[in-house]
This record gives sequence, C-alpha cells and structure tokens, in this order.
Amino acid sequence: EAQVTQNPRYLITVTGKKLTVTCSQNMNHEYMSWYRQDPGLGLRQIYYSMNVEVTDKGDVPEGYKVSRKEKRNFPLILESPSPNQTSLYFCATGGQGLAEEKLFFGSGTQLSVL
Amino acid sequence: GENVEQHPSTLSVQEGDSAVIKCTYSDSASNYFPWYKQELGKRPQLIIDIRSNVGEKKDQRIAVTLNKTAKHFSLHITETQPEDSAVYFCAANGGSYIPTFGRGTSLIVHP
Repeated sequence: EAQVTQNPRYLITVTGKKLTVTCSQNMNHEYMSWYRQDPGLGLRQIYYSMNVEVTDKGDVPEGYKVSRKEKRNFPLILESPSPNQTSLYFCATGGQGLAEEKLFFGSGTQLSVL
Repeated sequence: GENVEQHPSTLSVQEGDSAVIKCTYSDSASNYFPWYKQELGKRPQLIIDIRSNVGEKKDQRIAVTLNKTAKHFSLHITETQPEDSAVYFCAANGGSYIPTFGRGTSLIVHP
C-alpha cells in the first residue's frame, strides 16, 4: 500500500529544545517537501527535495533544516524551536514524470512550542 | 515565481446548492492545476486536476474549468452535500513539479 508515514502526530515542546519530525515514503518518489499550515495562510512550503542529496528552500525556510540522505526519508529538523513555529506540519511526496505530479500528504504533525 | 490567489476564503451554502471556488495564477508556464480537499483533522487529498491542454474536466458532481488566456481556473461542485464541507486548496505548478498553493477556501454546507 502506498504510504507517506509522518511522526509524531502531536508534539509539545519548549523553546530551544531540538526536535525532529520524520517523514518516510514507500512510493519511490523523487520529490519530497515540507509544508506548514496556519489559519488563513494556507499551505506554505518550508523546504523541498527533488532527489537524494538535493534540497532547496521554499517560501518560509528560516528556523528549519532538512536532509535527504536516502530517497525514502526526508526529516524536518528544528534546531532551536520558537513559539512562532507552533503550527500544523505536513510532509508531501510526488513523482516527477508526466501524470505523476499528484502529491501524497502525510497525516500531519501538530507542533506546539511553549 | 508562481503566485496563486484563491477566493472566497469562506463559502457557506445550503445543501443541494452549487458552490464555485475561483483561483488566478501569475506564471504563464503553469501547465498543471490540481485541487485538494482537506476534511477537518485530515490530510489534504487530491480530488481533481486539469492540464493546460484541456478546458474543462468533470468527475461526477465536481468539475474544473481553466481559462489560460485569463489565467484563472475554477472548481464547481453541484448538488452539495454536508460531506462536501471541508477546506479546498487550488494549486498551480509554474511549469515545474513544485506546486504553489492558494490560501484555501472553507466550504460549509448547511443541511
């Protein structure tokens, strides 16, 4: 079964405590991306990756890091979280060929930074 | 880069009415326009998409229209039902594989 597995589902942390949100896919997709969703602002892209070892900034990259050491995994790292990073985060994956542009989203991570 | 505007931000209709959500895009290189539906507490999921070589596409009660000249596309839902209540996002790909999303429309269907 095609899956995008994102963990954890909920996370409460304190300012400055490093955290990682994991994302894994079993569809052999080249493209992976992270979004944050805030009320009234829609889905804003944080970082994306077109292939292994290739990552690029999206619209709101400040305060975030990513890595793509393997094709299936694309973790999101917050080295020093701050309260303005409290948000709902989604990982998404997609192919790069014609008719493969549909995105598959993970189940989301609700992050609260106190 | 691509810029996508979506309207309205909230849409309230009675069950059985039609609903229309409109989006405009800026990059004439965009050639793929998907629509995603996000139910409360769930992940966004693709419900319909259209490519730039097609003017209209239908799937049961939903349809999407595209006007390349005016750079706008619309989602039409007929005979709305309470289960259509959700947030809907449009997107355009700017000619690449990286979609830019609109800010979303919260559709509320009253029984």
